Amino acid sequence: TQLLEQSPQFLSIQEGENLTVYCNSSSVFSSLQWYRQEPGEGPVLLVTVVTGGEVKKLKRLTFQFGDARKDSSLHITAAQPGDTGLYLCAGHLISNFGNEKLTFGTGTRLTIIP
Amino acid sequence: EPEVTQTPSHQVTQMGQEVILRCVPISNHLYFYWYRQILGQKVEFLVSFYNNEISEKSEIFDDQFSVERPDGSNFTLKIRSTKLEDSAMYFCASRKDRLGGYTFGSGTRLTVV
Repeated sequence: TQLLEQSPQFLSIQEGENLTVYCNSSSVFSSLQWYRQEPGEGPVLLVTVVTGGEVKKLKRLTFQFGDARKDSSLHITAAQPGDTGLYLCAGHLISNFGNEKLTFGTGTRLTIIP
Repeated sequence: EPEVTQTPSHQVTQMGQEVILRCVPISNHLYFYWYRQILGQKVEFLVSFYNNEISEKSEIFDDQFSVERPDGSNFTLKIRSTKLEDSAMYFCASRKDRLGGYTFGSGTRLTVV
């Protein structure tokens, strides 16, 4: 069973501060995705990273895929109350039969205090 | 923006009853998935479906579960005899190809009593 551990599980910071969320696994992924999930809604895709060491920016959000494609980080600069939510990483694995499935991390619940 | 639509949004059923959860994936998508999320827990993979057959399933997806794409638009998840522990949010997802991102529906909250 592939396990994706996210840390921290909960994070509460003041508006304007920077933060980093980590996603770690012992498995190598073909790609890794970050999602944001609002209460009562499905996950919404933020970004996909594919290449080891890849960095992608989405406004104030910076996503990095580890060189070994086992871990990833999400950095938010100058956090805003609108960033509040549940952030999920999800690793994409390809089985021996060429089939794929997405394995979700444990989630980081972020609260930005105005 | 195209959406994955799930119905109903909330289903309450008695233990032992059969339920069918319905999903309409994005029209030009070819890969379909069901995931579930028990309250307070992480999102778990159930099954993937491509070319009218299951391509991968998890240990959770036992003989009580089945999926079907009865026509060109619907994708259903059937639970034959529901158990209390089947209570969860069930999410349908689809994607266009193996390089595309997943689009999730808003989910069906299943409550087994």
